[in-house]
Order: sequence, then structure tokens, then C-alpha cells
Amino acid sequence: ETGVTQSPTHLIKTRGQQVTLRCSSQSGHNTVSWYQQALGQGPQFIFQYYREEENGRGNFPPRFSGLQFPNYSSELNVNALELDDSALYLCASSLIIDRDYGYTFGSGTRLTVV
Amino acid sequence: QKEVEQDPGPLSVPEGAIVSLNCTYSNSAFQYFMWYRQYSRKGPELLMYTYSSGNKEDGRFTAQVDKSSKYISLFIRDSQPSDSATYLCAGSKAAGNKLTFGGGTRVLVKP
Repeated sequence: ETGVTQSPTHLIKTRGQQVTLRCSSQSGHNTVSWYQQALGQGPQFIFQYYREEENGRGNFPPRFSGLQFPNYSSELNVNALELDDSALYLCASSLIIDRDYGYTFGSGTRLTVV
Repeated sequence: QKEVEQDPGPLSVPEGAIVSLNCTYSNSAFQYFMWYRQYSRKGPELLMYTYSSGNKEDGRFTAQVDKSSKYISLFIRDSQPSDSATYLCAGSKAAGNKLTFGGGTRVLVKP
């Protein structure tokens, strides 16, 4: 299977709840990154996983956490949801070969916190 | 101050015109520079990436990077209505590192 797939596509949660978003990386890619994109803004880096270990984190609080599985699929978990967490959450997978970027984004999960 | 700045637009051009997009950045450690296109309700799609300074051409697209002035550009020749989208520039310190995006420029190509 080619491409990066994310699920669900849309989600509505209540403030204080917890949410899990899922990502299936492009075949052969071993690195996955998560980004948050607020309406009208560019994506903001949350964290990256390489070979199931966190490999870099942006300026997000610990209630944002993640996992990467042996098959390179990934989860983003957000606890204690706040209204400002409403955004498009993007997963991107990559395979670094020399200077070939190969960074592929999924279509995202749109999370609304009410 | 954001690390990568873009004019949010919208930039409206007639079909067939050249679209000129620009970004400035402040992080001298950036070595890779990318342009992504994002349609409404879709994820960003990589158009071009450039390593260090210089020009790169791919079909109707030309990317330019001037590290001395911390300025990156994207030119779209013979623009089509299907080019109407938001264009995001991004910088990165190394291959595989996090991408730092600008806020995006919305482009409208009118038939």
C-alpha cells in the first residue's frame, strides 16, 4: 500500500477527554512525524519517531504523547483536551536516503474540541 | 518573531501568469528548504526541495534559495486554475529533521 493514511478523518471531543489518532506510514518508510495545523496557520512540529524511539520533540506539553509500532504505524495521544487543541493533525512518514527527503504527509485528522 | 515568515495573501493572478511566492527565515542552521502545496481539507504535498543555496527547476516550478539574505522563492509558470491552493515554505537543519513551516500563502488562479 502506498501513501500515508490517517484515521479517523474527523473527530469531535469534549474538553478534558483523551483522544488517540492513528497513522499508517508509507510502505518502506521508517520515520514518522506528527504536526498540528491550526486553521489558517502552517503545521507545527509535535514530535518524531524513528525505530520506535522518540527522535525529537517540538514545543508541546507532555500530555501530547506518541507511539511507533514495529510495522512503522504510529499513534498520537492527547490527554486532558483543551479547546486550543482543535486543529488538523498531520502525520508524515519518511525514509532518509542521502539528501532525498521523501517526506509524505497524510490527509490529516481534523479534531474539534468543544 | 517566527522562524519562517510568509505573506498570507491571497495572491490572485489570471490563468497563464507567473506566480511568485516568497519566504524569509531567521535560522542560519537551515540547510534544506521545501515548498509544499496544500489543497483545502488535504495534507501538504511536496512540490520541491532544495539543499543549501541555488536554483532548482521541475517542470513549471522553479525554487530559489539565497542563504546570504535568508530568502527563498517559488515561481510557477503558466499558472492554471488547478494551482489554486495554499503554498507552504519550510526549512530544516538536516535531512529527516523537523520541518519549520511558514504560515502559508493562499493563491487563486482565475480562468
